[in-house]
Amino acid sequence: EIVLTQSPGTLSLSPGERATLSCRASQSISSSYLAWYQQKPGQAPRLLIYGASSRATGIPDRFSGSGSGTDFTLTISRLEPEDFAVYYCQQYGSSPPGTFGLGTKVEIK
Amino acid sequence: EVQLLGSGGGLVQPGGSLRLSCAASGFTFSNYVMTWVRQAPGKGLEWVSSISGSGGTTYYADSVKGRFTISRDNSKNTLYMQMNSLRAEDTAVYYCAKVVGVGELFPFDYWGRGTLVTVSS
Repeated sequence: EIVLTQSPGTLSLSPGERATLSCRASQSISSSYLAWYQQKPGQAPRLLIYGASSRATGIPDRFSGSGSGTDFTLTISRLEPEDFAVYYCQQYGSSPPGTFGLGTKVEIK
Repeated sequence: EVQLLGSGGGLVQPGGSLRLSCAASGFTFSNYVMTWVRQAPGKGLEWVSSISGSGGTTYYADSVKGRFTISRDNSKNTLYMQMNSLRAEDTAVYYCAKVVGVGELFPFDYWGRGTLVTVSS
């Protein structure tokens, strides 16, 4: 069973700084079937990235995804106040499908 | 505008049943796989179940297989989840979600507001 490990658990940064979030899979994810979601308190998740690097509709270009195989990264080039939230990765290329990581919280320093 | 309105949550005793609904609008409902994802209080996300556009194919997480049944009524643009033999560990906010593309199973580009299910005596 594939396990996604997100790191760090919490990232403390200031607005304007660059955020780099990691998602590591216990086995290779086929065809880079990896997505990233943002979730703010009391809200539903929002799809940011799919296929490891494709931005979802309406997502600002300060969000970018990269990686393949077992190592994936979400980068936020310059943090805006509205970007402080929890971020989840999800794989959908290996069994069982749809597995989420435990999340990385990006908090204001 | 795509809208998903989940409802039906509430307090239920262990072993009890509950039926969730999700009313969809703003897209051709029957063309898309639909999904339920849950989130236990203070915890992460867990994919629960998905159903094909026609309703003919269903998928379940091992944690709910045999207890939950996903279904849809394309004439009413509504997704359902019948939850039986509920356990304390089923306590969570349940989200309905739409997949990104026709024919795809993942990921999910639109999510409904969650509905809270609490299993407790």
